[in-house]
Amino acid sequence: DAMVIQNPRYQVTQFGKPVTLSCSQTLNHNVMYWYQQKSSQAPKLLFHYYDKDFNNEADTPDNFQSRRPNTSFCFLDIRSPGLGDAAMYLCATSTAGEQPYNEQFFGPGTRLTVL
Amino acid sequence: SQKIEQNSEALNIQEGKTATLTCNYTNYSPAYLQWYRQDPGRGPVFLLLIRENEKEKRKERLKVTFDTTLKQSLFHITASQPADSATYLCALPGYSSASKIIFGSGTRLSIRP
Repeated sequence: DAMVIQNPRYQVTQFGKPVTLSCSQTLNHNVMYWYQQKSSQAPKLLFHYYDKDFNNEADTPDNFQSRRPNTSFCFLDIRSPGLGDAAMYLCATSTAGEQPYNEQFFGPGTRLTVL
Repeated sequence: SQKIEQNSEALNIQEGKTATLTCNYTNYSPAYLQWYRQDPGRGPVFLLLIRENEKEKRKERLKVTFDTTLKQSLFHITASQPADSATYLCALPGYSSASKIIFGSGTRLSIRP
């Protein structure tokens, strides 16, 4: 089945130690998104790629960066994780631009713990 | 900026009853609105989309209404079941980009047997 895959599902890192979260998709969608979600809060968009074009949200900290080496893969790099970065990180895809209504397909998420 | 409001209090109802969740928004006239379901520890799953020129949309036991005058959407689950227990999120297109959506914080629904 076509899907969005996130690895790992659970990630533990130490304060200040760089960490990379991975997302891959078999849907061949042109747009990929990274969201941060904290408990009982809305998913907060960090950035998205429209094809190869990177779009950063204005309030996304510089500590967060992303790479999309090809259509299928997207990575979230947290350069120096702080305790406040502990959250669920969600990857999503869509065909925005090919369809106007932007239904998004989410992966299962990676739960990040910062010690 | 856009603001999306969903009832932050959990909604607890008896199995078999109709659950009604509310999504209000301000400072925007969206072309569409979406509803997602999110189970604990999982990513959201798309349920329904309703366009601005549609008053109502149905899918099996789900019904969504969209009142652009009131700036409100209602999400109904009829004949509710314990398996419907989850958090339900509404989402609107991003004001500055058609490729983004902005989520509300969701309403947690619990259906008791």
